[in-house]
Amino acid sequence: NAGVTQTPKFRVLKTGQSMTLLCAQDMNHEYMYWYRQDPGMGLRLIHYSVGEGTTAKGEVPDGYNVSRLKKQNFLLGLESAAPSQTSVYFCASSLYLDRGTEAFFGQGTRLTVV
Amino acid sequence: ELKVEQNPLFLSMQEGKNYTIYCNYSTTSDRLYWYRQDPGKSLESLFVLLSNGAVKQEGRLMASLDTKARLSTLHITAAVHDLSATYFCAVFHSGGGADGLTFGKGTHLIIQP
Repeated sequence: NAGVTQTPKFRVLKTGQSMTLLCAQDMNHEYMYWYRQDPGMGLRLIHYSVGEGTTAKGEVPDGYNVSRLKKQNFLLGLESAAPSQTSVYFCASSLYLDRGTEAFFGQGTRLTVV
Repeated sequence: ELKVEQNPLFLSMQEGKNYTIYCNYSTTSDRLYWYRQDPGKSLESLFVLLSNGAVKQEGRLMASLDTKARLSTLHITAAVHDLSATYFCAVFHSGGGADGLTFGKGTHLIIQP
């Protein structure tokens, strides 16, 4: 019973490098989200998807791109990493959200950009 | 823009005491969530509150929602050390360019033996 799985769990990038974070869920959820968590800031929504093939911007989308080619996967890309993107990234999924179902979170990816 | 404010942001208390964490939000919503996070870990869902007056309890934790006051509370009864964690409230919003949960900054709770 995997739930929401994020890959990788840790990564160190140099400024300007690119990388992709993978989120996979096995619960057949429609909604998927990427959040970043910074000390004292709570979680902030980067991008989200309401279904396969759809993506939309959240609160802090600049510098990130996403894709949802398959329902179970949601990818977060950093094309040219910057130190300001050092953060812990969480993926979440839910069956719906507007109907009050809960969101399940992955274990997080700790990214450091040097 | 939806704003979610928690207070206090930091709380140190002794075992056996009672305390309340407050979550205020700025726009109309009747979907409020409470999560717990242990250091270095993911977020664990505690409560989902879906209507005005909703009250849910699990063990020593009780959450309530007043949509008219735009206020949710998380009450801790007779605290024990295992409840030490960071607690987040989150409010669902739709429209304005984004659908999803807006989180408060979290309440870092330390319970001293």
